Amino acid sequence: DQQVKQNSPSLSVQEGRISILNCDYTNSMFDYFLWYKKYPAEGPTFLISISSIKDKNEDGRFTVFLNKSAKHLSLHIVPSQPGDSAVYFCAAKGGNQFYFGTGTSLTVIP
Amino acid sequence: GAGVSQSPSNKVTEKGKDVELRCDPISGHTALYWYRQSLGQGLEFLIYFQGNSAPDKSGLPSDRFSAERTGGSVSTLTIQRTQQEDSAVYLCASSPRQGTEAFFGQGTRLTVV
Repeated sequence: DQQVKQNSPSLSVQEGRISILNCDYTNSMFDYFLWYKKYPAEGPTFLISISSIKDKNEDGRFTVFLNKSAKHLSLHIVPSQPGDSAVYFCAAKGGNQFYFGTGTSLTVIP
Repeated sequence: GAGVSQSPSNKVTEKGKDVELRCDPISGHTALYWYRQSLGQGLEFLIYFQGNSAPDKSGLPSDRFSAERTGGSVSTLTIQRTQQEDSAVYLCASSPRQGTEAFFGQGTRLTVV
């Protein structure tokens, strides 16, 4: 059973606009959430994380929002750049492992 | 190098043969993970090592899969009697301690023909 879900397989955004990637989870025991970015033929690259005691974490153009009551997190990228085009994975830490979503492919159109 | 290193990058093997995949984690990282990603799927947890503790093998899909970590550093994932459904990208990651972000290697693409 998929404990972390990314319901949008793909997203296209114009350069300079905001990209919003969404993620839902089912296990309320998850206490740490992460976003990874993956280019083809490369391993996932860590982007940003958030602890369950926070509701927002910002790092440059990237901001992650956590809504624990809704079991929902989102990644905002502002402004979006063509180099941001990649697959983005949401992950949650539970026990000894990270649980990953199936990814959202972001395309930023120049 | 500074990152997680995996070898080989690509491996093509015949059905029924054994394969070994290697992972060199970031120096000083005590936690090491193996994941795999099959075509069109998300990342599937396989095994977790933390220091000298017994590994968490709960994600290994069958007894054909095994892994070891020697000296708390290099790890080898072994798949015996490979099957076509074992074809996937096998990813290794390490982290400085439990509960922090994991840093991934570039993966080993395994193709069983």
